[in-house]
Amino acid sequence: KAGVTQTPRYLIKTRGQQVTLSCSPISGHRSVSWYQQTPGQGLQFLFEYFSETQRNKGNFPGRFSGRQFSNSRSEMNVSTLELGDSALYLCASSALGTSGNYEQYFGPGTRLTVT
Amino acid sequence: QKEVEQDPGPLSVPEGAIVSLNCTYSNSAFQYFMWYRQYSRKGPELLMYTYSSGNKEDGRFTAQVDKSSKYISLFIRDSQPSDSATYLCAMRYSGAGSYQLTFGKGTKLSVIP
Repeated sequence: KAGVTQTPRYLIKTRGQQVTLSCSPISGHRSVSWYQQTPGQGLQFLFEYFSETQRNKGNFPGRFSGRQFSNSRSEMNVSTLELGDSALYLCASSALGTSGNYEQYFGPGTRLTVT
Repeated sequence: QKEVEQDPGPLSVPEGAIVSLNCTYSNSAFQYFMWYRQYSRKGPELLMYTYSSGNKEDGRFTAQVDKSSKYISLFIRDSQPSDSATYLCAMRYSGAGSYQLTFGKGTKLSVIP
């Protein structure tokens, strides 16, 4: 089974620009969540999508948005980039496994640098 | 006081040692408790997911939750060099119209051969 894929892996943008990151979950997983990881703040939850609907949202400004498509692929958009948005952006797909246990798998992340 | 406190380490132990990693929290509404392992330049990997107080074992890993003390632990038995990574705890609550998932800052573990 293929893992979670994220594109692009690395990105350099300028302040004020916008960026779109993509995540393809594990086949059959309908839940996709996004996280921001920085040395200072650690790992922080951005939002979660399930069957094309945003189910939960973390404490981030409205510049951070996302969506999920019918094939469960998800995109995350950050508008009006700030220097502080430089981070590793991770997505994860999750589902209940065949044994009823919660399964969650992360992608390798997209390293965003804002200059 | 931060909602989730985790000693960043680094923690260095000899191969074969028992490792104890801990997190404390202040929000009694947390219901679900997770431990992740993250190797350098990789995404986190979910190791343990627990709901209630008590112990949960999976191979060499044991997760312990003490809700009365607001304290969770991850024990690694017979530690191996391949266990060298950063370990993050995470906690979640969900209720009508609200949801919060909070991570600890992570403890960096080195297992020395």
